[in-house]
Amino acid sequence: EIVLTQSPDTLSLSPGESATLSCRAKYRIGSIYLAWFQQKPGQAPRLLIYAASSRATGIPDRFSGSGSGTDFTLTISRLEPEDFAVYYCLQSGATPYTFGQGTKLEIK
Amino acid sequence: QVHLVESGGGVVQPGRSLRLSCTTSGFTFSTFAMHWVRQAPGKGLEWVAVLSHDGGSQFYADSVKGRFTISRDNSKNTVYLQMNSLRAEDTAVYYCVRDHSSGWNYWGQGTLVTVSS
Repeated sequence: EIVLTQSPDTLSLSPGESATLSCRAKYRIGSIYLAWFQQKPGQAPRLLIYAASSRATGIPDRFSGSGSGTDFTLTISRLEPEDFAVYYCLQSGATPYTFGQGTKLEIK
Repeated sequence: QVHLVESGGGVVQPGRSLRLSCTTSGFTFSTFAMHWVRQAPGKGLEWVAVLSHDGGSQFYADSVKGRFTISRDNSKNTVYLQMNSLRAEDTAVYYCVRDHSSGWNYWGQGTLVTVSS
């Protein structure tokens, strides 16, 4: 099983700042199999990034993804109030597919 | 537009069974693999199962293997999750998700399953 470890568990920032979220895989993953999701309370997850760096339809360009191999990053620039949520990475390259444990982005 | 609507959740006793349904519309269902993903209360996301577009191949999380079965009826645009021998740790919101090369972009609203005596 490919364990994904996200860091930090919680990130406290202010609107206007930039956020850097990390997702580290136990084994190498093809970049096309790494995605990022945002989830707000009571809502289904929303796809932000697929194939490590491609933004999903309708996602603002302040969200960007990067990385390869075992280390991937989600960067959110110029944080807006609506960006404070929980973020998950997902690997769909090998079953069982796995999510990271999540990073909570909270308002400082 | 694309819609996925789960149903069939509820309260069930440990050891009993439940079948979830996910009815879809707005896309050619028979050409997409489908997933189930769950989320226990206050916890993170856990992938449960995937079924190929034609139902020919399926994979499961170790936590549900041998107890859950994913299936589909392409004539009804519906994917199912048969859950047997339910345990307290199966308590979660269950989401169905459409697979796609451009990401898992479409999720249902989820249905809550509570396993409790």
